Amino acid sequence: DVKVTQSSRYLVKRTGEKVFLECVQDMDHENMFWYRQDPGLGLRLIYFSYDVKMKEKGDIPEGYSVSREKKERFSLILESASTNQTSMYLCASNGLLGGNEQFFGPGTRLTVL
Amino acid sequence: EDQVTQSPEALRLQEGESSSLNCSYTVSGLRGLFWYRQDPGKGPEFLFTLYSAGEEKEKERLKATLTKKESFLHITAPKPEDSATYLCAVQAARGSTLGRLYFGRGTQLTVWP
Repeated sequence: DVKVTQSSRYLVKRTGEKVFLECVQDMDHENMFWYRQDPGLGLRLIYFSYDVKMKEKGDIPEGYSVSREKKERFSLILESASTNQTSMYLCASNGLLGGNEQFFGPGTRLTVL
Repeated sequence: EDQVTQSPEALRLQEGESSSLNCSYTVSGLRGLFWYRQDPGKGPEFLFTLYSAGEEKEKERLKATLTKKESFLHITAPKPEDSATYLCAVQAARGSTLGRLYFGRGTQLTVWP
């Protein structure tokens, strides 16, 4: 079974802190994605990566950056956390050889105070 | 612009009362349409992929169908454990952003005994 893990289920940070959210997948997938999910707004794509050291902006990249140094790991960075970044963050991956379906991690609920 | 619209936003059914959820889409060439189930506080769980009009997929009480402009998720004789939010997503054929999905906002299904 495909497994996508995220470093924390719950995280509480203060405004202005630098926050790292990490995601690891064990299926040798080329593509990895970061979403945030808010009530009434659905899933919104922040950034994605189709190869090591490659990244592309999604629909809402402002205030975020990403890092992909290894194929299995994709990190989301909040350079200076703000209260409007309080959200559920979901990581997903898929591979070129599969059916294009994305497999999701369990999510990180981030609260910025 | 690619769009995915799900209806209704929320649906309450009595146990055993069959119904359908709708996902309408506008994309520039469809590579695939995906259905996910999401339980509160968890990441989406992949259910089905449909690739071409006329295709159908089944899993237990769920059956997904696809036409050229919409997909239906039919739920036959639902049980309380089918309560969840059901998400629809599409992958467009155009462009180089392989693997990227466009999500609808979901239908929140509640099945009461």
